[in-house]
Amino acid sequence: QLQLVQSGAEVRKPGSSVKVSCKASGGSLSNYAFSWVRQAPGQGFEWMGMVVPMFPSTNYAQKFEGRATFTADRSMNAVFLELTSLTSEDTAVYFCARDRAPRHYGDDAFEIWGQGTMVTVSS
Amino acid sequence: DNQMTQSPSILSASVGDRVTITCRASQSISSWLAWYQQKPGRAPKLLIYKASTLQTGVPSRFSGSGSGTEFTLTISGLQTEDFATYHCQQYDRYPYTFGQGTKLEIK
Repeated sequence: QLQLVQSGAEVRKPGSSVKVSCKASGGSLSNYAFSWVRQAPGQGFEWMGMVVPMFPSTNYAQKFEGRATFTADRSMNAVFLELTSLTSEDTAVYFCARDRAPRHYGDDAFEIWGQGTMVTVSS
Repeated sequence: DNQMTQSPSILSASVGDRVTITCRASQSISSWLAWYQQKPGRAPKLLIYKASTLQTGVPSRFSGSGSGTEFTLTISGLQTEDFATYHCQQYDRYPYTFGQGTKLEIK
């Protein structure tokens, strides 16, 4: 059974950047889309965008265009999120999540989630 | 963006009760809706996709219905482990959007 294992908690200063990894354990990235979703303290979920490692292709929510970068390393079986120009409003738990069905079936719900990575932005 | 609105925000119920959570989309999403369960400090768990299809391994006391702009999640015969926060999500078009969540608490 595939599991997504994310990197550990990060603390950053405003204006800096952070890179979060999400490694597939017990399987490969295959032909699936991986989304990044964040949850600020006490808030709902916010979809940041997705990467499809096989092609590779990306899709960013407009709010994060130019500030977020999604990459994939198929040899490492991992996807990555890099977020720059951090502010206190970026303090959140960041999740990676894999679609339920392979990409050629189209958009889908998130079946497998990473455990989450807490990113704290504070001076 | 397609705004998703859940109600109620907080729902108090007892073990054995039947409860319903509603999710409304600001624009039609056909049946491209998912429901997730989240417990404190944990990642969400997929319960239902395509509005009414039960994810493998999810108990049959969970059910979903609706299409277009109005959807419901029903839990029939609440169990202790069901007390959690529930989120709806549309995946009809980008950006995917979520409801603000419904916290189901013990009465």
